[in-house]
Amino acid sequence: ETGVTQSPTHLIKTRGQQVTLRCSSQSGHNTVSWYQQALGQGPQFIFQYYREEENGRGNFPPRFSGLQFPNYSSELNVNALELDDSALYLCASRTSGGSGTDTQYFGPGTRLTVL
Amino acid sequence: AQSVTQLGSHVSVSEGALVLLRCNYSSSVPPYLFWYVQYPNQGLQLLLKYTSAATLVKGINGFEAEFKKSETSFHLTKPSAHMSDAAEYFCAVSYPSGYSTLTFGKGTMLLVSP
Repeated sequence: ETGVTQSPTHLIKTRGQQVTLRCSSQSGHNTVSWYQQALGQGPQFIFQYYREEENGRGNFPPRFSGLQFPNYSSELNVNALELDDSALYLCASRTSGGSGTDTQYFGPGTRLTVL
Repeated sequence: AQSVTQLGSHVSVSEGALVLLRCNYSSSVPPYLFWYVQYPNQGLQLLLKYTSAATLVKGINGFEAEFKKSETSFHLTKPSAHMSDAAEYFCAVSYPSGYSTLTFGKGTMLLVSP
């Protein structure tokens, strides 16, 4: 197991609502990335935070937003939920902001269901 | 833009047989390459990674992969499958420039029969 934790484990929301997912990074890691994994698909990059600043974003609309705190924990917020937002949301942490060789350590994920 | 193709959404093998999971990438520059495994209801665990050193990479649980630039491939192999290897496997790429995030393939489910 990695030292990355996520909460909650499962979540059910209705269309139009807002949701906040939380991630606690592995000790010593200052970079966190969020990924969306739809059923039967590989994870897709949402955004990345390095030392509390967003320094990369995938092809996701602005209603997906995030925060990283001084202790390097992180939140993913999704506004105006849509049915297609139903997915497993994965958080991954690592030690630096720019090297492609760094290993990303993934948490167990939060399963979001939008009805 | 980079992309990763994993051939075969499902691969079935018998216990003790060779495991071969295929991964091809599309890129104008040599990428870094990764294989992750995902067990049911769990996150992703790194099996191995290629970062421009030796082209044959050994990972955990007896898995290895070979980077072949001429074929733009990074296939994952294991000489003898165990029942515990049944899981979903993802190939991913990243690059030294930009913010170095991972681009994943769609995954291959490995089924192991007794």
